[in-house]
Amino acid sequence: DQQVKQNSPSLSVQEGRISILNCDYTNSMFDYFLWYKKYPAEGPTFLISISSIKDKNEDGRFTVFLNKSAKHLSLHIVPSQPGDSAVYFCAASATREADKLIFGTGTRLQVFP
Amino acid sequence: DSGVTQTPKHLITATGQRVTLRCSPRSGDLSVYWYQQSLDQGLQFLIQYYNGEERAKGNILERFSAQQFPDLHSELNLSSLELGDSALYFCASSVNAGGNSPLHFGNGTRLTVT
Repeated sequence: DQQVKQNSPSLSVQEGRISILNCDYTNSMFDYFLWYKKYPAEGPTFLISISSIKDKNEDGRFTVFLNKSAKHLSLHIVPSQPGDSAVYFCAASATREADKLIFGTGTRLQVFP
Repeated sequence: DSGVTQTPKHLITATGQRVTLRCSPRSGDLSVYWYQQSLDQGLQFLIQYYNGEERAKGNILERFSAQQFPDLHSELNLSSLELGDSALYFCASSVNAGGNSPLHFGNGTRLTVT
């Protein structure tokens, strides 16, 4: 049972435009959500997080939106840069359950000039 | 550089064999997590240790075991290896045991079982 789903395996965006990566979850106990970025031959790197008490968190060019009623979160990158080309994983955890972080399958973002 | 060190980077072995993957967490981090990433799959949580004690278990096979030592480094032991065990194995660490602490990942060990 895939509790965290990233239904788009890939996304291609022109440099300067907005990139929107989506993530859906099924476990209503999840209350903390994170996005990680992964370059080839490297481990995932933490990007941005959001607690369920918020619906938006912003850090520079990166903004995460959380819609609890829809069990949906999204990552917006504005403006997109070629260096943003990577695989993006969303992850979720439930602080009242085991402390494991559940990851989605990832979305490969390609930003072209 | 995340500060998490994993060795070896690559490992090639035959079916039926046993291997040990090693992880040194970031300085000051007490929690160590192990994840498996198979081809085109997300990161599957295997197991978590906090300050030497097992804290959470995920989809870890009985052929796999792990431990965290007093110096906080961790080892993941994989035995009776099968072709399907070929994957990237990531170790991650965090300061505390809570699920709301960002994890810092190593660069992984790529295991190939032939």
